[in-house]
Amino acid sequence: EVQLVESGGDLVQPGGSLRLSCAASGFTFSNYWMSWVRRTLGKGLEWVANIKTDGSERYYVDSLKGRFTISRDNAKNSLYLQMNSLTAEDTAVYYCVIDDRGAPYWGQGTLVTVSS
Amino acid sequence: DVVMTQSPLSLPVTLGQPASISCRSSQSLVHSDGSTYLHWFLQRPGQSPRRLIYKVSNRDSGVPDRFSGSGSGTDFTLKISRVEAEDVGVYYCMQGTHWPWTFGQGTKVEIK
Repeated sequence: EVQLVESGGDLVQPGGSLRLSCAASGFTFSNYWMSWVRRTLGKGLEWVANIKTDGSERYYVDSLKGRFTISRDNAKNSLYLQMNSLTAEDTAVYYCVIDDRGAPYWGQGTLVTVSS
Repeated sequence: DVVMTQSPLSLPVTLGQPASISCRSSQSLVHSDGSTYLHWFLQRPGQSPRRLIYKVSNRDSGVPDRFSGSGSGTDFTLKISRVEAEDVGVYYCMQGTHWPWTFGQGTKVEIK
């Protein structure tokens, strides 16, 4: 059974940083592109970033470039999202998804709240 | 970015009756590999989104056959032949043809 378990969400002050993690199991992690998708109150569902099977290619939504970094560790079957210079607009539930140009599997999500 | 426009945004339905949601994209979703990466998702209250339909008209595993998808190019439709109580939630279309992948605004389906 495919499982994606996100962690690391928290309450953080504006300008702060946070690192999200996603533990994957039930499939061959290294064979799949992976992504982070977020759901905000204002914008609904928004694709954040994706990363190729071996980590050699990474793509970001333009508005987040430079602040967010996606990475993976295939030996640990894990996906990460480093988020810097956070603003209130980054408040969202962040989901880890398998990326086959769609999202057949989603994690349960982790809540990031940016507030003073 | 490709803009995905859904209608209606709110859809009150009667149990047992059909329902239909439209999704239009700002550019063609036909990829150079010939596939059209248009998918449909349902997010029930308190749950993560679940994919129902992939590449326009293919039902994901375990999805009841009362759900069907159709369309081409820039114009797509999700139909529910007979709405059941468990179909309540927010439906999203999503395109995976042009980066960044983008979602529609969502259509909230509720029982009358």
